[in-house]
Amino acid sequence: DAGVIQSPRHEVTEMGQEVTLRCKPISGHDYLFWYRQTMMRGLELLIYFNNNVPIDDSGMPEDRFSAKMPNASFSTLKIQPSEPRDSAVYFCASSQSPIEKLFFGSGTQLSVL
Amino acid sequence: KQEVTQIPAALSVPEGENLVLNCSFTDSAIYNLQWFRQDPGKGLTSLLLIQSSQREQTSGRLNASLDKSSGRSTLYIAASQPGDSATYLCAVFMDSSYKLIFGSGTRLLVRP
Repeated sequence: DAGVIQSPRHEVTEMGQEVTLRCKPISGHDYLFWYRQTMMRGLELLIYFNNNVPIDDSGMPEDRFSAKMPNASFSTLKIQPSEPRDSAVYFCASSQSPIEKLFFGSGTQLSVL
Repeated sequence: KQEVTQIPAALSVPEGENLVLNCSFTDSAIYNLQWFRQDPGKGLTSLLLIQSSQREQTSGRLNASLDKSSGRSTLYIAASQPGDSATYLCAVFMDSSYKLIFGSGTRLLVRP
């Protein structure tokens, strides 16, 4: 298996623009997680899905953030409009269950100017 | 609220040394604990997962222990190598919130 695949690897955009991050989880993994990593706050869970259904989005910082999982092999995290404080590395991760090992993608480095 | 602390924040050792990384957590009601490795510019790789009922797990030169009652875990790396240089993070899975809570990591440098 190719592992968790994220795209793009890097995204540079201007404040106010829409940003869409993409993730393909490992086949057979029923859980998908979106994390954000910054120097100041470390790794934060934004939202997670079980069988394509959002279960807990309490970590989504604002209404500007939204996430979807239209099918078992694809998820998006959208920021609209983007702000400089959204600059961070966004990770997607998947697992067969929340109590098992978590597999991370390589992340998307987002810079909002 | 669960807090996960890793000390030290950074560690530099000569190659060949055995070393211990520490992780502590405030709420002992955890389901399990994972140790991850993160290389610069990369995602996290799960190294070891210890269930709350277990005391330790081993993989190669790595050994992780868990003392749930005292809220502590250690990651022991034997005969360290320059390739072990990375940031090591621990994370606890909270049964109550169904979430993984991460520490801020220990940045390890193994000098040749």
